[in-house]
Amino acid sequence: QVQLQESGPGLVKPSGTLSLTCAVSGYSISNGYYWGWIRQPPGKGLEWIGSNHHSGSAHYNPSLKSRVTISVDTSKNQFSLKLSSVTAADTAVYYCARVSYCGGDCYSNFDSWGQGTLVTVSS
Amino acid sequence: NFMLTQPHSVSESPGKTVTISCTRSSGSMDSNFVQWYQQRPGSAPTTVIYEDNQRPSGVPDRFSGSIDSSSNSASLTISGLKTEDEADYYCQSYASHNQVFGGGTKLTVL
Repeated sequence: QVQLQESGPGLVKPSGTLSLTCAVSGYSISNGYYWGWIRQPPGKGLEWIGSNHHSGSAHYNPSLKSRVTISVDTSKNQFSLKLSSVTAADTAVYYCARVSYCGGDCYSNFDSWGQGTLVTVSS
Repeated sequence: NFMLTQPHSVSESPGKTVTISCTRSSGSMDSNFVQWYQQRPGSAPTTVIYEDNQRPSGVPDRFSGSIDSSSNSASLTISGLKTEDEADYYCQSYASHNQVFGGGTKLTVL
């Protein structure tokens, strides 16, 4: 059974870079699927940040694209998120998830999620 | 990019049936799979419907999904409501490799 676990600093200073890692166990990240990040500001809804494939085919939310990088490390079976120039509006619970992919522009569900990690942007 | 619009909240009594709608702002709802997630406070979302109308194993058949092309919307229907169904529900779809979530609907079972 696949399990995902987020890790990284819980506090980031404004204008800094938010960096999180998602360790995957029970499944090889090289075996397909997309791997994505979703965030949820306190008391608000879900926002997709972006997804990447082990082949390097990444896709990002257009509203965040200029600040986001998602990379996949098959040697460590993990993937990472970097979000630059953060402000208080980036304060949220950040989730990593596995995304079922059916080829071309065809996706199914985010079928496995990490427990989420709260990142606060504050000086 | 498109948006998915859901009602902010719905409420219904135990044993009754409730339907949550999800309307797509542009593009055809029936062109891309729609998923529905349940999120309880303090927990990560879990899938209750995927690929428009499929239930993951372990999700009771009280949960069903459908697409209405005429209104460009998707619906999640929960029958025989139980107090444990009280949660936030999100629809999700995609286009051109961009994933989009609806704003979420708070279901109260009272």
